[in-house]
Amino acid sequence: DAMVIQNPRYQVTQFGKPVTLSCSQTLNHNVMYWYQQKSSQAPKLLFHYYDKDFNNEADTPDNFQSRRPNTSFCFLDIRSPGLGDAAMYLCATSGDSAYNEQFFGPGTRLTVL
Amino acid sequence: AQRVTQPEKLLSVFKGAPVELKCNYSYSGSPELFWYVQYSRQRLQLLLRHISRESIKGFTADLNKGETSFHLKKPFAQEEDSAMYYCAPRGATNKLIFGTGTLLAVQP
Repeated sequence: DAMVIQNPRYQVTQFGKPVTLSCSQTLNHNVMYWYQQKSSQAPKLLFHYYDKDFNNEADTPDNFQSRRPNTSFCFLDIRSPGLGDAAMYLCATSGDSAYNEQFFGPGTRLTVL
Repeated sequence: AQRVTQPEKLLSVFKGAPVELKCNYSYSGSPELFWYVQYSRQRLQLLLRHISRESIKGFTADLNKGETSFHLKKPFAQEEDSAMYYCAPRGATNKLIFGTGTLLAVQP
């Protein structure tokens, strides 16, 4: 089945230790998104790629970076995780029309010790 | 500023009762409007979108441009409808703006 895959599903890191979360898609969508979802809160958009064009949200901390080496893969890098970065991280993809739905991955649960 | 308000954090109803999940938005331009749903231990997924004028799992949503509302309704709630529901407009920037969400709990 065409889908959005996130690895790992659970990630534990230490305070200040860099971590990378991975997302891949088989939908061939040109837009990919990263969201942060904290407990009992709505998903919050961190950034998105339109093809290779990177679009950062104004309030996304510099600690968060992203890479998209090709259409299928996108990575979220957290350079120095703090305790406040513990959350579920969701990857999503869509076509480029406003009418297209976004397809979400299952998420990666990040724990910071 | 773009903003989506879902006034109820929790909505608890009995099976068979009507359900209305409220959504009001403030958005420049004419966004497309979506409802997304997250069932327990499942990924976030699309429930319905305004442009399709569809009824999915018995749910419908009416856009009121004058009131800038997009409330989600179902005449008879089922236990399997229990989930978190998010209203989300999307504009030309390709970005969804999620509301705060409403947890629907359908009691037997």
